[in-house]
Amino acid sequence: QLQLQESGPGLVKPSETLSLTCTVSGGSISSSSYYWGWIRQPPGKGLEWIGSIYYSGSTYYNPSLKSRVTISVDTSKNQFSLKLSSVTAADTAVYYCASAMEWLVPYFDYWGQGTLVTVSS
Amino acid sequence: QLVLTQSPSASASLGASVKLTCTLSSGHSSYAIAWHQQQPEKGPRYLMKLNSDGSHSKGDGIPDRFSGSSSGAERYLTISSLQSEDEADYYCQTWGTGNWVFGGGTKLTVL
Repeated sequence: QLQLQESGPGLVKPSETLSLTCTVSGGSISSSSYYWGWIRQPPGKGLEWIGSIYYSGSTYYNPSLKSRVTISVDTSKNQFSLKLSSVTAADTAVYYCASAMEWLVPYFDYWGQGTLVTVSS
Repeated sequence: QLVLTQSPSASASLGASVKLTCTLSSGHSSYAIAWHQQQPEKGPRYLMKLNSDGSHSKGDGIPDRFSGSSSGAERYLTISSLQSEDEADYYCQTWGTGNWVFGGGTKLTVL
């Protein structure tokens, strides 16, 4: 059973870059047929997909965030990371990492507990 | 454009059953989805994947009280014998052309 854990700064200044890491245990991040994704949830709102990376390295980004997002994988550490540049207060949210199993539609099957990131000076 | 539509809220009594609906946008009625539960102050939890023919497969440890079904563009999550811990937000999720999509979520209140 996979376990995912987010880590990174809880406070980021406006215009700077938000950086988070997700550590995967209980399985290999290089496993075939798996995507690794980031999802966020602003306070009191619903879930928003940010982007995903396939085990092969292919990346997929939400079109509304694409210009600011980079997702990468470090197989040696069994981790994947999120970078979101030029942040504003609107990027304040709980950020979740999750694994997505390939199926008819890739679906998120394991989730991290989430980490709150606040954008403020 | 691929969109999932959910009612913002639902309510049902303790011990009763409730059926939540997720509607796929026009042209996407054959898509499969997944259901996720988010209890208050917790992260989301995967419940099940649900095909357009109603076949579904649940995640580890999900009680038999949770089931899924489909009709046309509608995907349903039925929870029977409602318990207090079922009070949560429920999200449907799908995927299309490299994009993951979530519905707006339904807040379920157990009376």
